[in-house]
Amino acid sequence: QQPVQSPQAVILREGEDAVINCSSSKALYSVHWYRQKHGEAPIFLMILLKGGEQKGHDKISASFNEKKQQSSLYLTASQLSYSGTYFCGTAPIQGAQKLVFGQGTRLTINP
Amino acid sequence: KAGVTQTPRYLIKTRGQQVTLSCSPISGHRSVSWYQQTPGQGLQFLFEYFSETQRNKGNFPGRFSGRQFSNSRSEMNVSTLELGDSALYLCASSLGGSKGTFGSGTRLTVV
Repeated sequence: QQPVQSPQAVILREGEDAVINCSSSKALYSVHWYRQKHGEAPIFLMILLKGGEQKGHDKISASFNEKKQQSSLYLTASQLSYSGTYFCGTAPIQGAQKLVFGQGTRLTINP
Repeated sequence: KAGVTQTPRYLIKTRGQQVTLSCSPISGHRSVSWYQQTPGQGLQFLFEYFSETQRNKGNFPGRFSGRQFSNSRSEMNVSTLELGDSALYLCASSLGGSKGTFGSGTRLTVV
């Protein structure tokens, strides 16, 4: 079953923060976050694994709440380059690249 | 390190025809997954190949098939094309369940 992402779209000014949530009704082993710009391939951001801690690099980080089967992506002090559609992909077991993706969250950063 | 290469980038086919898409993974990656992306359904998993064996399959009709060669290159075939098969077809390569790197995709238009 497809994970549910929220919000569906968000518009920010440069420098503001954003949180994107990804919820699944199934038990998850991992959550993969990607960003896709129009006309381009999805770019890998990070993986959250069951039992793992919060991850992040630069001003983008994410967490994984196993009890709630929910992951959140945090973008702080957003930059214009952060614009795009963010997807979470979920996997119920280890070792398989069979991801079920959410519908995406469109993030627009304005100057 | 070369990325994931998909050919062709664009394709126009007529209903009823068949098509073959190609994906060359990152050197050393043995897992290749295929996804279909449409505005209405989003990113949907088609199948995954690992060491020439289909390891996972999504919920697509039998008209969609694939294979993987000994050098890890993969092909996807769609027979008896329908208008609804128009989509961006993406492949992702990985070491096997970890970070997936997507290619730029093949945009298929069925007329």
